[in-house]
Amino acid sequence: AQSVAQPEDQVNVAEGNPLTVKCTYSVSGNPYLFWYVQYPNRGLQFLLKYITGDNLVKGSYGFEAEFNKSQTSFHLKKPSALVSDSALYFCAVQNNFNKFYFGSGTKLNVKP
Amino acid sequence: DAEITQSPRHKITETGRQVTLACHQTWNHNNMFWYRQDLGHGLRLIHYSYGVHDTNKGEVSDGYSVSRSNTEDLPLTLESAASSQTSVYFCASSRDSGANVLTFGAGSRLTVL
Repeated sequence: AQSVAQPEDQVNVAEGNPLTVKCTYSVSGNPYLFWYVQYPNRGLQFLLKYITGDNLVKGSYGFEAEFNKSQTSFHLKKPSALVSDSALYFCAVQNNFNKFYFGSGTKLNVKP
Repeated sequence: DAEITQSPRHKITETGRQVTLACHQTWNHNNMFWYRQDLGHGLRLIHYSYGVHDTNKGEVSDGYSVSRSNTEDLPLTLESAASSQTSVYFCASSRDSGANVLTFGAGSRLTVL
């Protein structure tokens, strides 16, 4: 079965510290990988995507993600967290048949 | 600017009633999707369409239907609303090919009493 796992329901980090939000997937073929962010009472917004090439991709708001093919992981990172980064983050995978699979989401809390 | 709009944003209905949630996009995207978001489940795909007159079932399609008569609209109908369908519903659209970035609407919160 195709699946995307975000093992942490919640991640707490102090402002200014680095953050990591984890994602692993089990999707056949060579999927495309995405991160989306959701602020309260809003739809999901695109952050970044991995298609091919460099394993480290950079996206909006200073976020980046590291692709690891052997571990089938795509962890979201940011060197220095801001309070305004507090939101719900979703990892998503698009398979070769144009179907999307989403993780269950990770709530990021950045404390001042 | 292009956008994707959902209506209504909030709705309360009673068990057994028919409900239709509207989704309208001006991106000229061929692909449109309906998801529901529930705590602990993330987003689950209800129905999707790859073009006019094309509709497909997702992983949680029971009790829901869609129709695609034009490029811009994909209304979601709950034929006979059930309390288990209380949720937040998101419509999304994307281009045809490649790594498709999904553009989401703001969501419709449905409560079935």
